[in-house]
Amino acid sequence: DTEVTQTPKHLVMGMTNKKSLKCEQHMGHRAMYWYKQKAKKPPELMFVYSYEKLSINESVPSRFSPECPNSSLLNLHLHALQPEDSALYLCASSQDIPVHPRAFFGQGTRLTVV
Amino acid sequence: KNEVEQSPQNLTAQEGEFITINCSYSVGISALHWLQQHPGGGIVSLFMLSSGKKKHGRLIATINIQEKHSSLHITASHPRDSAVYICAVRFLSGGGADGLTFGKGTHLIIQP
Repeated sequence: DTEVTQTPKHLVMGMTNKKSLKCEQHMGHRAMYWYKQKAKKPPELMFVYSYEKLSINESVPSRFSPECPNSSLLNLHLHALQPEDSALYLCASSQDIPVHPRAFFGQGTRLTVV
Repeated sequence: KNEVEQSPQNLTAQEGEFITINCSYSVGISALHWLQQHPGGGIVSLFMLSSGKKKHGRLIATINIQEKHSSLHITASHPRDSAVYICAVRFLSGGGADGLTFGKGTHLIIQP
């Protein structure tokens, strides 16, 4: 299994909603990442987890809350988002940090905040 | 400043044409990735290079460390190759927090 699975694929939420994005991998990777990508822009790093501990938070607003319940799962909890938070959210994993050559990316969750 | 430049930004070609996408970077790197992103969003890692040349099917990636330049070639291009191709590098120092600095991508369209 060489996949990173993200759910849901699409999400529409209101500014007062609470939702969660999920990411799962079963490759034994110990580093997992959340990226945000706006249209026609490269991915921007949000968070890095290494061995289930948050190691990097790129000054992301607190309305985004990551969680790593175990080595295979990475969640991103969303609360009180703004329309400008609408973007593609990508999860990735690698054996370790910094990003191992064989980085694997998920298909992304396309988020629309209304 | 550590920078990654890709060219062209947009490329439209006819099916069967030989495609070249270029990536140049400003300072020394330890690795360069070529990534493919389809309209649906998911990113696929195509190659990781630290020297020389790699080939996978119709895709060829080369890197010249001295010139700080890499190219991605697609032979016998096909409409299913239409995607955004992203160059990402790991600088020896001063790179992004996760070690990767991304180029802005090349939007490739292959017309039948």
